[in-house]
Amino acid sequence: GQNIDQPTEMTATEGAIVQINCTYQTSGFNGLFWYQQHAGEAPTFLSYNVLDGLEEKGRFSSFLSRSKGYSYLLLKELQMKDSASYLCAVRDSNYQLIWGAGTKLIIKP
Amino acid sequence: TAGITQAPTSQILAAGRSMTLRCTQDMRHNAMYWYRQDLGLGLRLIHYSNTAGTTGKGEVPDGYSVSRANTDDFPLTLASAVPSQTSVYFCASSETTGANVLTFGAGSRLTVL
Repeated sequence: GQNIDQPTEMTATEGAIVQINCTYQTSGFNGLFWYQQHAGEAPTFLSYNVLDGLEEKGRFSSFLSRSKGYSYLLLKELQMKDSASYLCAVRDSNYQLIWGAGTKLIIKP
Repeated sequence: TAGITQAPTSQILAAGRSMTLRCTQDMRHNAMYWYRQDLGLGLRLIHYSNTAGTTGKGEVPDGYSVSRANTDDFPLTLASAVPSQTSVYFCASSETTGANVLTFGAGSRLTVL
């Protein structure tokens, strides 16, 4: 079966750095996505990785290792507004998105 | 910029009743999707449409139907609601089926009693 695993919840301190991990087992691979979802709101696109390595976009970076079936989202200089759920998704060989359950990130002052 | 508009925002429905969740986008995206989001689970695809006039079944299509009469609208119908259909429903769209970015609507919270 297809599976996306990510931690249920993480806590971090304002101004710090946090790494949210995602491991996947899917039928084929056509890209990995990270979305941010604030409570009660719609998911919004953060990043896309299809090749191994690090993609940096401001305070957020996303890393992919296809051989390990592993990705992480790195958030630097955490702000209170970063409190949200972070969803990992993989596009499989049929170009369907398989979604993880999300990681709820709690930022403390 | 409106993006995707979903209605209603929330609804309480008696079991056995029918309900249509509306979804309209103004971005002229070809592909549209309906997902449900339940606590502890990832988003699950109900139905999708690659372009106007075509629809397809996703991971959890039973009990739901969709239509795509034009580019902008993609309504989701529950013919006879059951309590297990209590969920938050998100409509989404992308420029094409293989596009990298999905744009989501604000969601419709449905409670079936």
